Amino acid sequence: QKEVEQNSGPLSVPEGAIASLNCTYSDRVSQSFFWYRQYSGKSPELIMSIYSNGDKEDGRFTAQLNKASQYVSLLIRDSQPSDSATYLCAAWGEYGGATNKLIFGTGTLLAVQP
Amino acid sequence: IAGITQAPTSQILAAGRRMTLRCTQDMRHNAMYWYRQDLGLGLRLIHYSNTAGTTGKGEVPDGYSVSRANTDDFPLTLASAVPSQTSVYFCASSDGLGAGELFFGEGSRLTVL
Repeated sequence: QKEVEQNSGPLSVPEGAIASLNCTYSDRVSQSFFWYRQYSGKSPELIMSIYSNGDKEDGRFTAQLNKASQYVSLLIRDSQPSDSATYLCAAWGEYGGATNKLIFGTGTLLAVQP
Repeated sequence: IAGITQAPTSQILAAGRRMTLRCTQDMRHNAMYWYRQDLGLGLRLIHYSNTAGTTGKGEVPDGYSVSRANTDDFPLTLASAVPSQTSVYFCASSDGLGAGELFFGEGSRLTVL
């Protein structure tokens, strides 16, 4: 199993719907998780971080962490066409014996249809 | 608010040439990183630095070198560029190594011919 795994998509949702993005992780990563949004040709931009089991809400975004099942999700309510981007799940992991690498999933492409 | 500044934003380079990608941050973060992003391979760590004066190798360090003379600057050098180094390079920083949020620069798109 990869340290952080995501479905590559594309995930297509109509405008105004809830978009649900999912990520699973292995025991080889730390318990701090991040969601980044990356528009085509741009750099990753941090949307949410979550460290504890449960839900964390910020505006239209809700991050959910379930440590028992080893998954983290991002819900986007009232999806807008401007939300169309690739969403990257990430967690800190080790390389060479040190926790020094933010490990990214390959990303899920979200397309919000007007 | 600048955050992390990378230069150049885009460069076409002949194979065998030496190239330095510059990265400067103004957030006083201790840790800095260089990632490359390639289609289908995602973001991969090249080198990192825990603090000024120290650097470490990531998962794809071959052909690259870094230095960290001070807190703010973390240049990445390709000593003799090869076509496989064609990629988008992102500099990033965090308050501490392996902790907290990672913030990215705008990226440098490098094409090696």
